[in-house]
Amino acid sequence: KAGVTQTPRYLIKTRGQQVTLSCSPISGHRSVSWYQQTPGQGLQFLFEYFSETQRNKGNFPGRFSGRQFSNSRSEMNVSTLELGDSALYLCASSSAGTGRLETQYFGPGTRLLVL
Amino acid sequence: GNSVTQMEGPVTLSEEAFLTINCTYTATGYPSLFWYVQYPGEGLQLLLKATKADDKGSNKGFEATYRKETTSFHLEKGSVQVSDSAVYFCALSVGGGGAQKLVFGQGTRLTINP
Repeated sequence: KAGVTQTPRYLIKTRGQQVTLSCSPISGHRSVSWYQQTPGQGLQFLFEYFSETQRNKGNFPGRFSGRQFSNSRSEMNVSTLELGDSALYLCASSSAGTGRLETQYFGPGTRLLVL
Repeated sequence: GNSVTQMEGPVTLSEEAFLTINCTYTATGYPSLFWYVQYPGEGLQLLLKATKADDKGSNKGFEATYRKETTSFHLEKGSVQVSDSAVYFCALSVGGGGAQKLVFGQGTRLTINP
């Protein structure tokens, strides 16, 4: 089975712009989660989607949003970029349904640099 | 709330040395526990997991035992190799209704010298 794929792998943007990152989960996985990794804050949970619905959300401002499509692919969007949004954005998928926790498998990440 | 505390790094060892990376957690409910590894320039790879008390996860010579009484999940390996050099993250997962959320420790950078 192919693993979790993320595109693009690298991005450079300037302050005030917006960006969209894409994630394709492992085939058959319906849960997709997003995490932000920075040297200062470590790994932080952004949100999780399951069957096109946001099921869980971390403590990030409304500039961070996401969505999931019927094929389970997910996108996250960051509007009005700030320097502090520079980070590695990781996507993870799992086969979790309802009432059960499953292992999350991570993609290689998208490295975003905001200038 | 839920949190994970790992021993601070960096940790530097010689090849074939014994490795322990400490991890303790605080959680409401009954968490699953994980160790993930991150090699330079890459995402996270699942190293091992344990889903209930006294479970032992193992993979590639690494082991960790879920200790509910001490709320710990320490990572061990008997003989490390240069290829084990990476950043190691301890994490827990607690969710209701299947909602997935991992809470990570701050990571421990491990360097193995030949």
